[in-house]
Amino acid sequence: GDSVTQMEGPVTLSEEAFLTINCTYTATGYPSLFWYVQYPGEGLQLLLKATKADDKGSNKGFEATYRKETTSFHLEKGSVQVSDSAVYFCASGGSNYKLTFGKGTLLTVNP
Amino acid sequence: SAVISQKPSRDICQRGTSLTIQCQVDSQVTMMFWYRQQPGQSLTLIATANQGSEATYESGFVIDKFPISRPNLTFSTLTVSNMSPEDSSIYLCSVGGVSYEQYFGPGTRLTVT
Repeated sequence: GDSVTQMEGPVTLSEEAFLTINCTYTATGYPSLFWYVQYPGEGLQLLLKATKADDKGSNKGFEATYRKETTSFHLEKGSVQVSDSAVYFCASGGSNYKLTFGKGTLLTVNP
Repeated sequence: SAVISQKPSRDICQRGTSLTIQCQVDSQVTMMFWYRQQPGQSLTLIATANQGSEATYESGFVIDKFPISRPNLTFSTLTVSNMSPEDSSIYLCSVGGVSYEQYFGPGTRLTVT
């Protein structure tokens, strides 16, 4: 079945540092790929998405590129802020309309 | 994207009782989903709820324990029945988008004592 593997956390960075959270997937066919963010005490928010190979999703300074050849969708941000502290989930979804989530990565950004 | 609300936002319940969680969407949607998120864990899909048909449950979840209603295209309920402390989790509903993404409600934080 489909699966998503993402970098284990927690990740602790200083403000303005560069962020990468790795995500790889296995799936039949070509799924859509997503990054979700969960701030403390809240539900999940869709951060960005990519629906086909070489697509780049971007939002709020975060970016991720759908790499079919490496089955990856790594999340990056050039300069993190304290307000980016949250749990980040990579997910894949396809024609069965179900999402498969990674285990989540806790990011803490210190001032 | 749809705006989704859930009630209650949190509750503390005694073991053996049941709790019904409501999910309301501000637009008509075909597919709604219910998830469980245990403390510090990822999300696990409980079931898919489509209007006009029985909910489809994932492996490990059964209708007697988690009955679901979907009376129209904007509303669904999930009941957690005969609760035990192991049911303490966040329960989230979501709706499907056009590119297989899902949009989530704020969640219901359930503690069973």
